[in-house]
Amino acid sequence: EDKVVQSPLSLVVHEGDTVTLNCSYEVTNFRSLLWYKQEKKAPTFLFMLTSSGIEKKSGRLSSILDKKELFSILNITATQTGDSAVYLCAPVRGNEKLTFGTGTRLTIIP
Amino acid sequence: GAGVSQSPSNKVTEKGKDVELRCDPISGHTALYWYRQRLGQGLEFLIYFQGNSAPDKSGLPSDRFSAERTGESVSTLTIQRTQQEDSAVYLCASSLAAGSYTIYFGEGSWLTVV
Repeated sequence: EDKVVQSPLSLVVHEGDTVTLNCSYEVTNFRSLLWYKQEKKAPTFLFMLTSSGIEKKSGRLSSILDKKELFSILNITATQTGDSAVYLCAPVRGNEKLTFGTGTRLTIIP
Repeated sequence: GAGVSQSPSNKVTEKGKDVELRCDPISGHTALYWYRQRLGQGLEFLIYFQGNSAPDKSGLPSDRFSAERTGESVSTLTIQRTQQEDSAVYLCASSLAAGSYTIYFGEGSWLTVV
């Protein structure tokens, strides 16, 4: 059975801090891993990671995948209150099914 | 359309009634997904369509749940004889094609069964 474990489950930091969110996975026919940000109802796409060791960046956010150790991290530097959300990772299997983790709830205190 | 559109955005129904939730994917997207998210919990996969066929229905929780897609466009998720545990946000998502894994979500349909 596929497993996706995100840690920490919850994180509270002050504005300006840097955070690292973790996602470990065990899925069959792994193809890529997606990161999403969920603020209200609909998750919004952040990154798609396919290759190991190649960092993807978007502004203050960055992410990297380790296919040997089966994990990914999402970094957010100089956090802002608008970064408060649930961050979801989802490994993609060969049959298109995404298995989402339960997410990390990030709260940024002004 | 510009984004994935879902309706209704909110639905309150009595236990035992049937409900239909509609999803209009991004124009040209051939892959369509349904997920369920209960309050405070993660996203649960329900069903996936490629075109009008459903290669993976493994997530449908019971035979009260069914989904169809016509014209490689609109999809309808039907829940028969609703139960209180069906209360959740039902999220629809679409992607361009098989092999294109960036999927875009709609705003969801919040279902409350009373």
